[in-house]
Amino acid sequence: KQEVTQIPAALSVPEGENLVLNCSFTDSAIYNLQWFRQDPGKGLTSLLLIQSSQREQTSGRLNASLDKSSGRSTLYIAASQPGDSATYLCAVMGANNLFFGTGTRLTVIP
Amino acid sequence: SQTIHQWPATLVQPVGSPLSLECTVEGTSNPNLYWYRQAAGRGLQLLFYSVGIGQISSEVPQNLSASRPQDRQFILSSKKLLLSDSGFYLCAWSGTGGGYEQYFGPGTRLTVT
Repeated sequence: KQEVTQIPAALSVPEGENLVLNCSFTDSAIYNLQWFRQDPGKGLTSLLLIQSSQREQTSGRLNASLDKSSGRSTLYIAASQPGDSATYLCAVMGANNLFFGTGTRLTVIP
Repeated sequence: SQTIHQWPATLVQPVGSPLSLECTVEGTSNPNLYWYRQAAGRGLQLLFYSVGIGQISSEVPQNLSASRPQDRQFILSSKKLLLSDSGFYLCAWSGTGGGYEQYFGPGTRLTVT
C-alpha cells in the first residue's frame, strides 16, 4: 500500500526566506502528485499538480518537483510571506485514490 | 466554472444518532466524486469514491455508507454514529479517468458527543 511521508512536520521561518518542503512516497506507480494548502478549519486548495511524466511545475512563487524513480517531491516557496502560513499537504494519485501525507505546518513570522 | 458545495458546515450529534452529509458539484458533468475524512492528528483518508450514478466503492470498512442519487450529488450517511466518527469530512471531485486533479469542498466538521 502507498505510504506518503512529509518532513518536517512543522516549520517556522522569518518572512522573506526561501524554503523547501519534502514529500516521499513508497510506490512509484503513480498517475500524478498534488500539493495542497489547508488553512485551519478549511478545505483543501490545490496548489500544483505534477503528472507522472513531468519533472516540475511552477505557479508564481511556488515550484514543485517530482522524481518518481526515487519517490520524492519537493515544494519550493520563494520569498515567504505571513499569508503563506498554513498546512501543506502532499498527495499521490493511484488508480482511484489520493494518498495523503500528514502535512507540514508552516508558520511565516513577520 | 466548477464549484463544490458541502453542508452542513458544522454538526454536533449524539452517539447512536443518524447522519447525512451532502455534497453537490456545479459546472461539470459525470465527475468522479470522493468522500475523505480527516481525523484529529491524522492524515486524510479516502472513505468512498464514485465514478457514476449508483456506483460506489468503499476503501475503508466502517459504519458509514455513501450514495450517489444524481450525477453531481454525493451523500455520506450513517444509521448510528460512533464517537470515532468525529472528524472533518471533505468531498472532492475530479474529471473521469486517471491522472486528473482533485478539487475539494469546504468540509463538514462533525463532532459526535
